[in-house]
Amino acid sequence: EPEVTQTPSHQVTQMGQEVILRCVPISNHLYFYWYRQILGQKVEFLVSFYNNEISEKSEIFDDQFSVERPDGSNFTLKIRSTKLEDSAMYFCASIPTSGGNEQFFGPGTRLTVL
Amino acid sequence: KQEVTQIPAALSVPEGENLVLNCSFTDSAIYNLQWFRQDPGKGLTSLLLIQSSQREQTSGRLNASLDKSSGRSTLYIAASQPGDSATYLCAGVPSSGGYNKLIFGAGTRLAVHP
Repeated sequence: EPEVTQTPSHQVTQMGQEVILRCVPISNHLYFYWYRQILGQKVEFLVSFYNNEISEKSEIFDDQFSVERPDGSNFTLKIRSTKLEDSAMYFCASIPTSGGNEQFFGPGTRLTVL
Repeated sequence: KQEVTQIPAALSVPEGENLVLNCSFTDSAIYNLQWFRQDPGKGLTSLLLIQSSQREQTSGRLNASLDKSSGRSTLYIAASQPGDSATYLCAGVPSSGGYNKLIFGAGTRLAVHP
């Protein structure tokens, strides 16, 4: 069964460093998402991406964040200069079309900023 | 702003009990709704999707319903088992537009003991 994959599973970085989190969505899906979950808190929407551009972003998704689909399979989230408060689990998700479809989530990347 | 409340926050039951988990939205205009399961430190597993034209969905021992007039959803788990122990998250796509971003509740942490 197709699934969303994410790498790495765990990333440890120093404050101020850049990190890139990688996702491979399900192959025929067209809409892509990043969410995050700070330990003990709700899952929060960060950004949605369609047709090679951001379609919606939350207040959390400031200038330090960017997303890219560099090729036909990968979908990346970059944090330019990490802060302690960026420590969280980051989930990628995808759906085939916009019509009320089930979102499939990857296993997540745990980001720890020291 | 759409907020999602899940009640109860935690539940501990003996094996075999039938359970009801509740979810409510401050804005009842929900396009579709998903229930997820999350094991500690893990990703999100989609359990059920209720699309805009539906009122309920069933999968095995799970049944979810959505009352769009009140913005309330219920997840019913029949004959609970220790393997059902996890956190259950409710998430909805607001009807007010957006590219299918999900708004999550904080979850119900379920423990089923033998």
